[in-house]
Amino acid sequence: NAGVTQTPKFQVLKTGQSMTLQCAQDMNHEYMSWYRQDPGMGLRLIHYSVGAGITDQGEVPNGYNVSRSTTEDFPLRLLSAAPSQTSVYFCAAGEEGYNSPLHFGNGTRLTVT
Amino acid sequence: AQSVTQLGSHVSVSEGALVLLRCNYSSSVPPYLFWYVQYPNQGLQLLLKYTSAATLVKGINDFEAEFKKSETSFHLTKPSAHMSDAAEYFCAVSDAGANNLFFGTGTRLTVIP
Repeated sequence: NAGVTQTPKFQVLKTGQSMTLQCAQDMNHEYMSWYRQDPGMGLRLIHYSVGAGITDQGEVPNGYNVSRSTTEDFPLRLLSAAPSQTSVYFCAAGEEGYNSPLHFGNGTRLTVT
Repeated sequence: AQSVTQLGSHVSVSEGALVLLRCNYSSSVPPYLFWYVQYPNQGLQLLLKYTSAATLVKGINDFEAEFKKSETSFHLTKPSAHMSDAAEYFCAVSDAGANNLFFGTGTRLTVIP
């Protein structure tokens, strides 16, 4: 049982390049989300989804796009990377309900030069 | 809006000593509170959660936390630290009616042999 799988583990981009961070879950959870982790700032919510076809913005959505065409997959797109997007990105999935814990992937470390 | 504050970005304890990591919350409604642990180069794992059933919550690896409404606190404790407890610990509060979590800035625990 893999849980939440993120690819790639590491990525280096040049300013202005685009890329997609992949996230897949095998737990059939309706809720999925993306966080970024920066030193001294904890984790901040970028975008989230409560089911296929439904997405919404979190605290720091600018510069990122998401879509949810299936329950399993929730990719995060950077259309034009900026150095400020250098961070560690985590995808999470959970059962619907505000007292349900989230299951996290192992993260993608992104550097934008 | 819900938020949490973690006092102390770094805590050092000797092996066998009491671990105390502090978390204070701000919430306009009864909160759902969580503690997560992050080991190096890994995602976050749930330690425990408070969902109003009991004020003293027991989690994995002998960690526990006590919800104190009068102090708006949810501090994490462990009676005796092990070397394997060295990690970063995050307190989080859930958004009312949704799975979204708002995290504190984290506390890095160092265990001294």
